[in-house]
Amino acid sequence: EIVLAQSPGTLSLSPGERATLSCRASESVTNRYLAWYQHKPGQAPRLLIYGASSRATGIPDRFSGSGSGTDFTLTISRLEPEDFAVYYCQQYGGSPLTFGGGTKVEIK
Amino acid sequence: QVQLQESGPGLVKPSETLSLTCDVSSSSINYGYYWGWFRQPPGKALEYIGSIHHSGSTYYSPSLQSRARISVDTSKNQFSLNLNSVTAADTAVYYCARLAAGSGSYCPYWGLGTLVTVS
Repeated sequence: EIVLAQSPGTLSLSPGERATLSCRASESVTNRYLAWYQHKPGQAPRLLIYGASSRATGIPDRFSGSGSGTDFTLTISRLEPEDFAVYYCQQYGGSPLTFGGGTKVEIK
Repeated sequence: QVQLQESGPGLVKPSETLSLTCDVSSSSINYGYYWGWFRQPPGKALEYIGSIHHSGSTYYSPSLQSRARISVDTSKNQFSLNLNSVTAADTAVYYCARLAAGSGSYCPYWGLGTLVTVS
């Protein structure tokens, strides 16, 4: 199965700053089949990005995804207070579906 | 907006069977999508358990295939998970979700999750 490693584990930033999150796969992800989710305690995971760079419905354009092969990035251009959460990547190019361990974006 | 809600016992004894149900609203489970179960043990990553189509076609993670069974009840617009021979390692928040397309996809819609403790 494809193992996804996310870094850093925790990102301490202030509102207005830029956040760059990394997701590295143990092998190439077919067709850039990689998604990103935002997860807050007690809430359902929220799909942000699919196909490595396509924003899901209703997602603000401050969220962007990039990458291919084994290296993918989620960028939040300017952090808003509601963006502080845990972010997960997920690949769906191989079976079974797998997730990264998450990056927590916390307020500095 | 598709809505999903998990339900079931919050506490299961070791060696017994964990049973959860996911109620789907604002969408018919017959629409042709795959519906999946995921879990997140405390402090660990999300994990795919398996998924099902309204026709009954199922896919399972190899690591759980021997213990997991997913079923669908189209008359109630719900699907269910049974996980047998549970141990403390099965303690997790369990989520149901709708996959976007096919059995291997991302998930635009998730339930809030339900904590199941094996003890």
